[in-house]
Amino acid sequence: KAGVTQTPRYLIKTRGQQVTLSCSPISGHRSVSWYQQTPGQGLQFLFEYFSETQRNKGNFPGRFSGRQFSNSRSEMNVSTLELGDSALYLCASSLGQATNEKLFFGSGTQLSVL
Amino acid sequence: AQKITQTQPGMFVQEKEAVTLDCTYDTSDPSYGLFWYKQPSSGEMIFLIYQGSYDQQNATEGRYSLNFQKARKSANLVISASQLGDSAMYFCAMREGHGSNYQLIWGAGTKLIIKP
Repeated sequence: KAGVTQTPRYLIKTRGQQVTLSCSPISGHRSVSWYQQTPGQGLQFLFEYFSETQRNKGNFPGRFSGRQFSNSRSEMNVSTLELGDSALYLCASSLGQATNEKLFFGSGTQLSVL
Repeated sequence: AQKITQTQPGMFVQEKEAVTLDCTYDTSDPSYGLFWYKQPSSGEMIFLIYQGSYDQQNATEGRYSLNFQKARKSANLVISASQLGDSAMYFCAMREGHGSNYQLIWGAGTKLIIKP
């Protein structure tokens, strides 16, 4: 079974630009959640999608948005990039049916904003 | 206030020794779950072990066990017979919320280095 796939692996953008990150979950998983990891703030929850609907949301500004397609693949978009958006963005998938489920993570997308 | 506290930023341990990584948490919710994940330098988070707040016994998964002390709000990870491949960042996380409305809150992590 293929794992969680995130593309691209690395991205370099400049301030003010927008970026779209992609996540393909494990086959059969309907929940995809996104996390931002920085040295200063650690891991922070962005949002979770389940069956194409945003089910949970963390405390991030509206510049951060996402969506999920009917095949459970998910995209995350960040508009008007700021230097502080430089981070490792991790995507995780699960069946989404029980709160004790383990999350399966991708290797992340390393975003650098110059 | 920090909800998940990992007090050890880094640890050096001799290969084959047992390791205990500390994690304390803060919640007033009687229903919660605690996870430990490992993050090698490749970046991918790898699930290690889960403990539910109502679980009577400490969780175990192979070489990993969780020393769950509910009254102390402590969920320490114990790795028996450490191996060189155990060198990585280790994160403790807590699931808060109810039903489908929940999120994981993460600790700052502990960098574990196993010495040969």
